[in-house]
Parts: sequence; C-alpha cells; structure tokens
Amino acid sequence: AQSVTQLGSHVSVSEGALVLLRCNYSSSVPPYLFWYVQYPNQGLQLLLKYTSAATLVKGINGFEAEFKKSETSFHLTKPSAHMSDAAEYFCAVSATQGGSEKLVFGKGTKLTVNP
Amino acid sequence: EAQVTQNPRYLITVTGKKLTVTCSQNMNHEYMSWYRQDPGLGLRQIYYSMNVEVTDKGDVPEGYKVSRKEKRNFPLILESPSPNQTSLYFCASSRHRGNYGYTFGSGTRLTVV
Repeated sequence: AQSVTQLGSHVSVSEGALVLLRCNYSSSVPPYLFWYVQYPNQGLQLLLKYTSAATLVKGINGFEAEFKKSETSFHLTKPSAHMSDAAEYFCAVSATQGGSEKLVFGKGTKLTVNP
Repeated sequence: EAQVTQNPRYLITVTGKKLTVTCSQNMNHEYMSWYRQDPGLGLRQIYYSMNVEVTDKGDVPEGYKVSRKEKRNFPLILESPSPNQTSLYFCASSRHRGNYGYTFGSGTRLTVV
C-alpha cells in the first residue's frame, strides 16, 4: 500500500533561510506525488505535483521539489523563506486499490518563520 | 471562479442530532471525496465518489453516509453524531483519478457536544 512519511512535525527557520521539508514515500508502482499547503483557517492548496515527467518540479510561491527514486524521497525546498510561508505543509501520494483511487497524506509539517 | 464550496464553515451540534454538510463543485469534476483532519493524524479519507451514483468507503467511514445524485454535489451526512466526530472536514474534487491533484473546499469545523 502506498504511504508517505514526513520527517519533523515542526520546522522553524529564519526569514531568508533555506526551507527544507522532508517527505519519503512508499509505493510499489511509479507514484504520483503532491505537496499541499494549508494556511490557518483555510483549506488545502496544491503547491506542486510530480507526475513522472521532470524529476525537479517547480510550484507556486517559489517552492520546488525533487523526486529521487533511489531515495524514495520528494523533499520540498525554497531557497529563501518569507514570513508568509508560515503554514502547515502536507505531502501526499496518489494511492490506487482495486478500482479506486485516493490521496494518502502524511501527518503534516508545521513551518514557522522567525523574523 | 473554479471552486469547491462547503457549508457550513462552523457547526456546533448535540449528540444524536442528524446533520448534513453540503459540498458543491463547479468544475464538472467526476471524482469527489470527503476527508477529516485531526491533530496528529493528518487527513483521512471518509468516503469518495467516482461519478454520479458511484460511492465507496474510505478509511474511516463509520458513522457517516454520502450520496451523489448529481455530479456537482456530494453531501456528507451524520445520522447520529457523536463527540468522536468532532473534527475539521474537507471536501475535495478532481477531474479524474491519478495525477490531476485535488481542489479542496475551505473546510467545516464540526463540534459535537
């Protein structure tokens, strides 16, 4: 069964510093992988997705993620953190079972950006 | 504007009083799903629907019902709510399965006392 693991439930960085949020996946087939962001009191917004085209995926708000099959990883990065990046981030894998499909989410990483 | 609309945003109810959370999407998406979000547990799928009149259970379906009579609407029904159903609920839709990604509603925060 497909699953994702996010390392670190809380990450704190200084404004202007590198953001690195870790995600490892488990999948017996080539996966579809996603990163979502949730701002306080809002729904989830798609940041970027990997669909087996380029391994380096660029998303919105300056974020990008690199798919590494050998490491089963899909870490999210941003070169320079901004105060507005403070939010919770979820990695997800598209899981298929029988004829159905769903997104399986990691438990989330809350990003704090310090001035 | 393409969106998924959930109502209500906030709801406080008493144990056993039936309630419905509505979900509507305007993107002509085939696939719709309900998730609940709980601290430390992330998001877990309750039910999903692959098209009109086609629904199936997700990971945590107990205590919930759904229906899909029209493509745009996918209401979540709690026939007899209990305190352990206090949670943040999200409806989501997708054009199809796989790599399209989901569009999420803004969420419904439900408290059952």
